Amino acid sequence: GQQLNQSPQSMFIQEGEDVSMNCTSSSIFNTWLWYKQDPGEGPVLLIALYKAGELTSNGRLTAQFGITRKDSFLNISASIPSDVGIYFCAGQLSGTYKYIFGTGTRLKVLA
Amino acid sequence: DVKVTQSSRYLVKRTGEKVFLECVQDMDHENMFWYRQDPGLGLRLIYFSYDVKMKEKGDIPEGYSVSREKKERFSLILESASTNQTSMYLCASRIGPGSGEQYFGPGTRLTVT
Repeated sequence: GQQLNQSPQSMFIQEGEDVSMNCTSSSIFNTWLWYKQDPGEGPVLLIALYKAGELTSNGRLTAQFGITRKDSFLNISASIPSDVGIYFCAGQLSGTYKYIFGTGTRLKVLA
Repeated sequence: DVKVTQSSRYLVKRTGEKVFLECVQDMDHENMFWYRQDPGLGLRLIYFSYDVKMKEKGDIPEGYSVSREKKERFSLILESASTNQTSMYLCASRIGPGSGEQYFGPGTRLTVT
């Protein structure tokens, strides 16, 4: 099935550093979602974006809905060890119930 | 807080068995989804239900069926389990077509031997 291009695939960072990841698509979306998934668990919704250009924060997390509606990025500031996990994006295709999911970014934080 | 629960976290079944996976949400959501998640393939939609007794096939419905008799409960049925159905199964729900926010359950890791 179709997946969104997400980069980077993995990151090793030091505690306290900022992190940035992004998703790009050839399709236009009317909603972008960002999730975090721990091993063996279900994805947890972090941020939802609904308008082109929208910038939304949730604590140390900030996400933006790209102007073209074909991309989105997620920033994590001042990372901590519990930020470890897999982050992935999801875009909802306009006028449908279907979501396309990103390939995921595996984040490891070194204390 | 939205809560989506799944009946089992881990399940081991034999080839040919009929398997039921249950999902319950407590937020009166109209729409519910079943996905499977496999390494390298990401999340793939099996079935979608937009209301009680209403369903649509997703991208990979073969070998699966669903049931939604009550709004809060969405069941996935493997009619005759096969080894290629070994996977992580994730249920999700959302308020309705006007809302993009989709909430997932904790997942069921199914192994078919």
